[in-house]
Amino acid sequence: DVVVTQTPLSLSVTPGQPASISCKSSQSLLHSDGKTHVYWYVQKAGQPPQLLIYDVSNRFSGVPARFSGSGSGTDFTLKISRVEAEDVGVYFCLQSIHSFTFGPGTKVDIK
Amino acid sequence: QVHLVESGGGVVEPGRSLRLSCVGSGFSLRYYGMNWIRQAPGKGLEWVAVVWDDGTNEHYADSVKGRFTISRDNSKNTLYLQMNSLRAEDTAVYYCATCDSLGDYFEFWGPGTLVTVSS
Repeated sequence: DVVVTQTPLSLSVTPGQPASISCKSSQSLLHSDGKTHVYWYVQKAGQPPQLLIYDVSNRFSGVPARFSGSGSGTDFTLKISRVEAEDVGVYFCLQSIHSFTFGPGTKVDIK
Repeated sequence: QVHLVESGGGVVEPGRSLRLSCVGSGFSLRYYGMNWIRQAPGKGLEWVAVVWDDGTNEHYADSVKGRFTISRDNSKNTLYLQMNSLRAEDTAVYYCATCDSLGDYFEFWGPGTLVTVSS
């Protein structure tokens, strides 16, 4: 089974400052078709998760440009260039090359 | 606009059964692979099951295989999850979610329904 880990598990950020979340997989997430199956979600209080990033680095419709994704193989990163109050929530990465596995989540709050 | 609403959650005793439903509106569910994903209280997300758009193929997490059955009725724009032999560890909010066109990720989610397994 693929194990997905995230660091840190908790992050407190001053508004306007950047934030970065790491997602690591126990196996390569590069498919033979050339696509890397990594996705990022945010879950705000009392809501279902919302898709932020698909295929490592593509922003989903309506996602602000301050969110970006990068990485390859087994190591991936979600960055928020300037955190805003509305970015508070729990961020999950997802791999889907070997069934579906979420990371444990990173809780982001505002200092 | 894609809209999903789950129902059927509640409190059930260990060993009993429950059936969840997920009704779609604003789109035709028949064109989408559909999933159930759950989240235990205060915990992370666990994918549970997927059914292909035409209902011909299903896959399950090992934790529910043999106990849960995913199905769909495209004529009713509805997804189901039949849960048998429920255990305390099945306690969670259950979300239904659409697949993207390639079945690679979960695009749209419902608000979830809470299932509590307790005596």
